[in-house]
This record gives sequence, C-alpha cells and structure tokens, in this order.
Amino acid sequence: GAVVSQHPSWVICKSGTSVKIECRSLDFQATTMFWYRQFPKQSLMLMATSNEGSKATYEQGVEKDKFLINHASLTLSTLTVTSAHPEDSSFYICSARNLFRGLAGDLGTDNEQFFGPGTRLTVL
Amino acid sequence: AQSVAQPEDQVNVAEGNPLTVKCTYSVSGNPYLFWYVQYPNRGLQFLLKYITGDNLVKGSYGFEAEFNKSQTSFHLKKPSALVSDSALYFCAVRDMQYNFNKFYFGSGTKLNVKP
Repeated sequence: GAVVSQHPSWVICKSGTSVKIECRSLDFQATTMFWYRQFPKQSLMLMATSNEGSKATYEQGVEKDKFLINHASLTLSTLTVTSAHPEDSSFYICSARNLFRGLAGDLGTDNEQFFGPGTRLTVL
Repeated sequence: AQSVAQPEDQVNVAEGNPLTVKCTYSVSGNPYLFWYVQYPNRGLQFLLKYITGDNLVKGSYGFEAEFNKSQTSFHLKKPSALVSDSALYFCAVRDMQYNFNKFYFGSGTKLNVKP
C-alpha cells in the first residue's frame, strides 16, 4: 500500500514550452501533496504544499506563476512548469500524506510522506 | 528553525562490515526524525522514523537508527552492509512546531559498499 506514481518519468522539451507533471496516490487518499525539486547531488527543496480543493502554498522564492499546481482530487495533483527554460531543468519529486484519522476522529500527525519516483525534466 | 546536518558527503564501507551514516538535528520542540534512501533517478523510500519511545528504532532492510537526545543525533546503522545498500541517504526532520506538513532534509550522504 501507499504507492505514489508520477507521470512522465522523464521529459525533454524546448525552451518556452510548458510541461505538466502528474502525481497520483494509487491506493490511498491524500488530502495533502507536496512538490520538491532536487538539483544534482543536492537535497530536496520543498517547492509547495498542495491541498485538495484549495490553492497551493508556495515556499519563499518559488514563483507561483511559473510553477502552477492543481490538486483537483484526493488522488491527483499536477505541477505545470510554464514557459520552461534551461534553468528549470531538474528532478521533480512529489509526495503525499496518507489521510489518517485516529480513534477520536482527529487527523493523525505521525503519518509520514510517501514519495513518488520523480520526474526528470530537461529543457533544451 | 528546524534543520538537520549530514556531515559526510560520502561513506565507503566494505561488504559485510557495519555501516554508520551520521545525522545531527536542531529543532524547536520534540523531534520527529526520519531516514530515507534514494536510488539513482528514483524517488525517496522510507526507511524508518523516530517519534517517541525506544531510542533504537528498527526499520526496513535491516537498518536501524539510534536517537540520542543529549548529542542531538540520529545516526543510521546497519550491522552488515550489502553492495545493494549503495545509494543516497537522507535524514529529515519534521516541523512539528509551525508546519507539521513540512520536512527539512539533510544534504544527503552517498553510501558506497564495495564487494
């Protein structure tokens, strides 16, 4: 259980085009999904937090008009890199939190994030 | 602010020998600590986590980690390394004070296990 998929796994595009990356939770409902960016030999940097049915929360320094995030359902979030440029080339990883409710109906706070396999974006 | 540090960019160990990948943390409040492993061109895989309780946490693939509050450390260990353990390892801390959705990752340690 708790599988997260991403599509495509890799994409090459021309500068100026837009690219959409999908993140799906396959066997659980995820009210919250996260988008990370990873540069070569570096750690993951959180770009934004995506909540189903509401606007995404972007980290400082991340352009919301550049990286459009949509979270229309409990199993799907999309990241669109608009007017991509070579500096946008990176490895993009999504993750999802498993919706968990305790016995009292409260949302669990110890459920870890499950990560997708990543999408390698190369902008020529 | 929450942060984790992985002081070693790379760890080399011979197959069959014990391995340790170091992690120290700095948090406000109680630490929720995690270890993840990443294989080339793949996403992160969860290994183990510490929330509360026993300081020695056992995880996937024979890995374990020891939480040490006085030294603010959460080192990853395995008694006998395998070549297949070669990968990139990330320590992470969850922000339980301001935004429990947010994880802070260390810079990663590349583990090389030689046959």
